[in-house]
Amino acid sequence: LAKTTQPISMDSYEGQEVNITCSHNNIATNDYITWYQQFPSQGPRFIIQGYKTKVTNEVASLFIPADRKSSTLSLPRVSLSDTAVYYCLVGPGSGNTPLVFGKGTRLSVIA
Amino acid sequence: DGGITQSPKYLFRKEGQNVTLSCEQNLNHDAMYWYRQDPGQGLRLIYYSQIVNDFQKGDIAEGYSVSREKKESFPLTVTSAQKNPTAFYLCASSVYRGSNQPQHFGDGTRLSIL
Repeated sequence: LAKTTQPISMDSYEGQEVNITCSHNNIATNDYITWYQQFPSQGPRFIIQGYKTKVTNEVASLFIPADRKSSTLSLPRVSLSDTAVYYCLVGPGSGNTPLVFGKGTRLSVIA
Repeated sequence: DGGITQSPKYLFRKEGQNVTLSCEQNLNHDAMYWYRQDPGQGLRLIYYSQIVNDFQKGDIAEGYSVSREKKESFPLTVTSAQKNPTAFYLCASSVYRGSNQPQHFGDGTRLSIL
């Protein structure tokens, strides 16, 4: 299973765009990249998933370069309510290997 | 509204006591999971189940047991053999097993030792 590396923490002011990068150098051909958001005392919530290039939904964008060895979660115009831990997961598109949630990136949005 | 319900939200256990955490889903998902989260840490997989009457150990299964008698239910028992059970426990489900299937999480059960 591909190991991921993310910054432990990030700070941002309200209204700014935030980019969180995840490194996954040994990503496999069948692996997808998935991001979750977790607020304190709640379960993680699925944000976005991609395989290559760019994916965008109403919450975020996910940028994946051609070599797929990294990915960037982009949160446009963050607000205080975006303060949370963000997890990057990389895993097989099929098979039985368990997912690994690392420590994630703790984003603090400041007024 | 479909989702995952975990109960209770808070649970206290005495030393040497077994306790069972409930997890119910009405999403018609085949796969279900139990995770443990310690303060400031990520999630660690305890057990997962891909189908009724089948379950597999995760990374930290020692001291825990599960059952999957019904598709919608996946209870976790924290046994007295688990020496450090104080943690936040999260249950999740997905359409089927596979990392391209987003997992839906409950709101967790916080277990503490008296």
